[in-house]
Amino acid sequence: EAGVAQSPRYKIIEKRQSVAFWCNPISGHATLYWYQQILGQGPKLLIQFQNNGVVDDSQLPKDRFSAERLKGVDSTLKIQPAKLEDSAVYLCASRRFKLLAGDTDTQYFGPGTRLTVL
Amino acid sequence: QKEVEQDPGPLSVPEGAIVSLNCTYSNSAFQYFMWYRQYSRKGPELLMYTYSSGNKEDGRFTAQVDKSSKYISLFIRDSQPSDSATYLCAGKTSYDKVIFGPGTSLSVIP
Repeated sequence: EAGVAQSPRYKIIEKRQSVAFWCNPISGHATLYWYQQILGQGPKLLIQFQNNGVVDDSQLPKDRFSAERLKGVDSTLKIQPAKLEDSAVYLCASRRFKLLAGDTDTQYFGPGTRLTVL
Repeated sequence: QKEVEQDPGPLSVPEGAIVSLNCTYSNSAFQYFMWYRQYSRKGPELLMYTYSSGNKEDGRFTAQVDKSSKYISLFIRDSQPSDSATYLCAGKTSYDKVIFGPGTSLSVIP
């Protein structure tokens, strides 16, 4: 079973520029999460999708961040304009909505996109 | 007060040592507790998942939850250099909200 795919793996931009990250979840996983992990901190949830609907975006800075999940599969996270404090690793994770027998109740994480804002 | 707290370390131990990693939480709504391992430049991966107070063992790893004191521990026996990573504890509510701690960095020296 292929894991969660993310691209790009690394991105360096200047402040006030825009950037977009892409995520392809594990096949059949209806729930998709975007997390922000600042150096030395644990992942912080930005947005959670159930299929293509938003379940929780309470911690998404909506003045600059946006996310979409068209067709309930791939997702993109965009930052416009970027600030210095947005430097972090952006992690995408997915989870099966209804667990099957033998499933582990966990989110599966991708490798992340490391963003540096100069 | 942060919902999940951990000593960030770094913690350095010799190979073969028993490692104890600790975590405290303040959110009474947490019903499930997890330990994730995160290698450098990788995403977190689930190590242990527990529901109730008590111990859960899986190979060299034992997770311990004490809900009365809101204290979670992870023990690693016979630690190996491959255990060198950051260990994240997390709590999850009944409505699937997961809150992570800041992680403890562990180095196991050969």
